[in-house]
Parts: sequence; structure tokens; C-alpha cells
Amino acid sequence: QKEVEQDPGPLSVPEGAIVSLNCTYSNSAFQYFMWYRQYSRKGPELLMYTYSSGNKEDGRFTAQVDKSSKYISLFIRDSQPSDSATYLCAMSKYNFNKFYFGSGTKLNVKP
Amino acid sequence: EAGVTQFPSHSVIEKGQTVTLRCDPISGHDNLYWYRRVMGKEIKFLLHFVKESKQDESGMPNNRFLAERTGGTYSTLKVQPAELEDSGVYFCASSATVLETQYFGPGTRLLVL
Repeated sequence: QKEVEQDPGPLSVPEGAIVSLNCTYSNSAFQYFMWYRQYSRKGPELLMYTYSSGNKEDGRFTAQVDKSSKYISLFIRDSQPSDSATYLCAMSKYNFNKFYFGSGTKLNVKP
Repeated sequence: EAGVTQFPSHSVIEKGQTVTLRCDPISGHDNLYWYRRVMGKEIKFLLHFVKESKQDESGMPNNRFLAERTGGTYSTLKVQPAELEDSGVYFCASSATVLETQYFGPGTRLLVL
């Protein structure tokens, strides 16, 4: 069983829609939770980073962590065609040196 | 500020050959990480350097893989001899401290035929 599960999609939405991306995990030792965005032929780029449970908002992006359910989410409001990319969740334990990634969800925002 | 750079961007080699990948971290970043993504799978951790020391190499798949970071600046990852299952994208990342964001390079796409 994978430690981090993520629906690969693809997910196709119209411009302006609210997007919900999710990951589940099995290891309760995970303390830090990240969302990365990856454009084609580029490296992953950090979008959001949260520690433990709760919500964090940054512009059009909101990250949620529910440690009791071992479930994390990324919401994108007012989605734009430029948001079209693969979104990767990642998490790490207390030492924060080794990231465990989901397989990524490919998002397509149609104009 | 220049980001993490990796060379080459692509490499096509035959099974049994040797390939060396290079990563130049962001200047001043003591922490350097190697990850790889094989086809259809998630990105997986390979190892972590703090300066020139290997802090964690628990993700290295076998002894055909050798990572070095002499002088604590750039790093190389050598695969010798390469096998078909080594094909994938190899990412390098760096961070100033272990508790800070890891910045990823664009990756090296390796194809072993």
C-alpha cells in the first residue's frame, strides 16, 4: 500500500470554477504537508505548506489538513487556464528532510 | 537568484552503460536532495546531503547508484551499470536549512534502452 494516495485525474473544469484536490495518507507520523504545482517539463514548485491540522489561505489557494481523517485538500478559487498543471501533494515526518509524494493530479482549466 | 540547475536535461543510454547526472543547488543551500520519478509512479526520495555528508540515503535503490557532493557544492549521481528500470526523471532539490522549503530543479530525463 502506498503511503500517500492521490487521484491522478485528469480533472477538467471551466475557467472560474472552484477546484478541489485531495490526498489521503496512512502514516500518522506525517507532520508537514505540502502542495506542489508542476508544469510540463518543469520541476515541482511549492504552492502551500502547512504544519499539522488546520487551514491556510494564500490568495486563491486554500490548504486544509485533517489529521484525524488522514486527509488533505487544496482548493483553488476562480480557477484560471494558467492553473492547468499537475498538482502534487507531499508530506514529511518530524525531521522534514524526506518528502513522500502523491502521484499527482493533472488539472486542465478550460477557457 | 538562480534556481536549482540540473545537467543534462535528457540522456538516452543503453543498458549496461554509465551515466552521471549533475545538480547545482541554489547558492548557499547546505541541504541537497535527490528524488526520482519512474514512469507512472510517484516521486520518490533517494538521498539527502548536508554539505558534503550523506544525511539519509535510505531511498537509494541499490549499489549501482552512487551520489557524491565533494566540497559541499554541486552533486553528482552516477548510475553504473544502468538497467532498463532506471529510466525516469531524476530531480534534485535544495534548501537553506532542513526545516525550509525544498526548491526543485527541472529534472534530468533518463531513458535506458
